[in-house]
Amino acid sequence: AIQMTQSPSSLSASVGDRVTITCRASQDIRNDLGWFQQKPGKAPNLLIYPASSLQSGVPSRFSGSGSGTDFTLTISSLQPEDFATYYCLQDYNYPYTFGQGTKLEIK
Amino acid sequence: QVQLVQSGAEVKKPGASVKVSCKASGYTFIGYYIHWVRQAPGHGLEWMGWINPKNGDTNYAQKLLGRVTMTRDTSMYTVYMELKRLKSDDTAVYYCARGSGAGINGTDYWGQGTLVTVSS
Repeated sequence: AIQMTQSPSSLSASVGDRVTITCRASQDIRNDLGWFQQKPGKAPNLLIYPASSLQSGVPSRFSGSGSGTDFTLTISSLQPEDFATYYCLQDYNYPYTFGQGTKLEIK
Repeated sequence: QVQLVQSGAEVKKPGASVKVSCKASGYTFIGYYIHWVRQAPGHGLEWMGWINPKNGDTNYAQKLLGRVTMTRDTSMYTVYMELKRLKSDDTAVYYCARGSGAGINGTDYWGQGTLVTVSS
């Protein structure tokens, strides 16, 4: 199975900060990568797929980039509602695999 | 409006089976795949597989092969996920999600989650 490695595992930041989360695949996955946001007690929400395409309704402060094995999720100016856990997921081949998550906390 | 409503929490003993339902409304049931994802308490997300309600085709995560079965009842607009021979590490919240296809693109609506606890 393809391993997805996210970094950092946790991150403290302030409202208005720019933050970047990275995800590395253990093999080339083209751009078959999604980014999810999950808040405590809630289902995940797909923000970006593939790699750099914002899903409908997702604020433009979120952006994604990368292809092959290295990917990034950037939030350009953190808002209070952005503090959550973020996961990448590859669906290049089976089984689909998630990264271990990045918990974004308020500094 | 689109909704996926899952069945309620379950407590099972090791070795038993559990069947979680996901009832769809507000859209054409056979037009979208249903993916299942689970999350152990305090842990990350794990993709389990998908079912195509149109024809019943399925694809399961290899680690669950032989224990998981996904089915659908088109007359009830409901998808089921059954997990057999439960182990303690199957304790998790199980989510269903609507997807536009076999990939995760367009997984726009999710169920509320079903907590399955496996304990002796």
